[in-house]
Amino acid sequence: AQSVTQLGSHVSVSEGALVLLRCNYSSSVPPYLFWYVQYPNQGLQLLLKYTSAATLVKGINGFEAEFKKSETSFHLTKPSAHMSDAAEYFCAVSYDGGSQGNLIFGKGTKLSVKP
Amino acid sequence: KAGVTQTPRYLIKTRGQQVTLSCSPISGHRSVSWYQQTPGQGLQFLFEYFSETQRNKGNFPGRFSGRQFSNSRSEMNVSTLELGDSALYLCASSLGNTIYFGEGSWLTVV
Repeated sequence: AQSVTQLGSHVSVSEGALVLLRCNYSSSVPPYLFWYVQYPNQGLQLLLKYTSAATLVKGINGFEAEFKKSETSFHLTKPSAHMSDAAEYFCAVSYDGGSQGNLIFGKGTKLSVKP
Repeated sequence: KAGVTQTPRYLIKTRGQQVTLSCSPISGHRSVSWYQQTPGQGLQFLFEYFSETQRNKGNFPGRFSGRQFSNSRSEMNVSTLELGDSALYLCASSLGNTIYFGEGSWLTVV
């Protein structure tokens, strides 16, 4: 079965440091890939998405992710962490092509930012 | 432009009862999907509706059902509630290949 693996359920960085959240998917067929952020007691907000165009995808709030087919990875990065980035981040994939409602999510990574 | 609206935001039910949750998608979006989020299982896909037809279904028992109306609004129903149904239920609407989520409905079963 297709799956998404997020390495590290908790990641802690200092303010101003690089943020790297890892995501690997299991499929030889490139899927649609998404990163969502969830703040406490809120829904999911789309950060960015990969849909087979450019492999380096820029999103909101200074985040970006690079699709690497050879590594089946879609890691999320941000050059300089801000306190407001503290949240839970979810990587998700869709293999349904035009049927985009069926997402497979990773377990999530909680990001803490230390002052 | 209004986002995905879910009601109610919070509710408490007793085991054995049934519950109905409502979702209004972003205007113009015809696809609505539902997800269950729990600390143990994470985010799991329940089902997706497009133009009033169920297009995809996740691996949940028949107690979980849904429907979509002609105006794209959707409801999901859970019958014979169990303690394990306590979760955040998220609705999402999509147009093309971008999916937008609502704030969710927090269900507590006691």
